[in-house]
Amino acid sequence: GDSVTQMEGPVTLSEEAFLTINCTYTATGYPSLFWYVQYPGEGLQLLLKATKADDKGSNKGFEATYRKETTSFHLEKGSVQVSDSAVYFCAVSFFSGYALNFGKGTSLLVTP
Amino acid sequence: SQTIHQWPATLVQPVGSPLSLECTVEGTSNPNLYWYRQAAGRGLQLLFYSVGIGQISSEVPQNLSASRPQDRQFILSSKKLLLSDSGFYLCAWTPGQGAGYTFGSGTRLTVV
Repeated sequence: GDSVTQMEGPVTLSEEAFLTINCTYTATGYPSLFWYVQYPGEGLQLLLKATKADDKGSNKGFEATYRKETTSFHLEKGSVQVSDSAVYFCAVSFFSGYALNFGKGTSLLVTP
Repeated sequence: SQTIHQWPATLVQPVGSPLSLECTVEGTSNPNLYWYRQAAGRGLQLLFYSVGIGQISSEVPQNLSASRPQDRQFILSSKKLLLSDSGFYLCAWTPGQGAGYTFGSGTRLTVV
């Protein structure tokens, strides 16, 4: 069935370091792909999305490219900040009610 | 603009007591609605989704149930809570495929 595999954390980086969080998926057809962020004690916020192959989603310095050939949607940021510390979830939408199928989340801690 | 409201924010309930969590969406019609649960240290698990009034699909067998009495209202219930029902419950909505999902602020439920 459809699934999302996300690199396990926690990931600890120094401020201004480069970030990559890997995400791969299995799905039939052409799903939409998302990255969500959850700050401590809060709900989920949409960070970026891509709806077709080769699309690049971007927001707040984060980027991810929809790679259908490798079924991947890796999240990247060139220079992380302390305020980026959060849990990041990769998600895929499949067609049954358009529900999101989430990865297990990757906790990111950025230290000064 | 569309907004999603979820309440209560926190809840402490004894084992065996009933549960009712409510979620409402404003500023849209006929949204797809979802209930997710996030257990401590784990990812998000889809519990229920609804594509219309009175239409509920369950993803995971459990002692929880959901109802959609009105177009923009989604209720999560239980007749008798278990300790394992503790977690962070998130309501979400989307207008359709690829449009992005908006989450409520969540309800942190602790069953004691």
